Amino acid sequence: QITLTESGPTLVQPTQTLTLTCTFSGFSLTTSGAVVGWIRQPPGEALEWLALVHWNDERRYSPSLESRLTITKDTSKNQVVLTMTNMDPVDTATYFCAHRRGWVTGPFDYWGQGILVTVSS
Amino acid sequence: DIQMTQSPSTLSASVGDRVTITCRASQSISSWLAWYQQKPGKAPKLLIYKASSLESGVPSRFSGSGSGTEFTLTISSLQPDDFATYHCQQYNSGWTFGQGTKVEVK
Repeated sequence: QITLTESGPTLVQPTQTLTLTCTFSGFSLTTSGAVVGWIRQPPGEALEWLALVHWNDERRYSPSLESRLTITKDTSKNQVVLTMTNMDPVDTATYFCAHRRGWVTGPFDYWGQGILVTVSS
Repeated sequence: DIQMTQSPSTLSASVGDRVTITCRASQSISSWLAWYQQKPGKAPKLLIYKASSLESGVPSRFSGSGSGTEFTLTISSLQPDDFATYHCQQYNSGWTFGQGTKVEVK
């Protein structure tokens, strides 16, 4: 059974860097085809895909946020880490990590419960 | 970027109603479309993938159709557990979500 859990700070100050960790089980990011992504959702708003990391360390980023995002994986810990620089109040959102199905592309079939991050001084 | 537009934004319905939600893509995405259900404070749940394939464990009252730029999600007979927000998502080029459709009690 695949599970994912997000962890990190729930309050960050403007201009700070956010670091979120996704700890997963039930699959390995050393297995061909495995992919983990990050998606966020501001309160009352739409979902927004942020970044993906593949088993072969290929990384994909949302074009609108690419300059601020870095995604990495630690296969020994079954973790994926997302960093977002220069946080702003508009980045207040619930951040989800999710397992992506499919070899080339696919939907997100397993999600973490999400972590609400508030950006405020 | 491919934009996804859902309609309506809110839908009022009663138990037993047939419900249809539409999702339009700004350019062709073939059949690379998924539908998710989300309840307040919870993560989205995958219902439909590849436009019309039912995810394992999802009730058969949910169905999806369409290809190219126009897609629909249909709930054949709305059940109490189905009051929620529904999101479409394209995965033809990147991953883009619609703005969501809230299905509320009429």
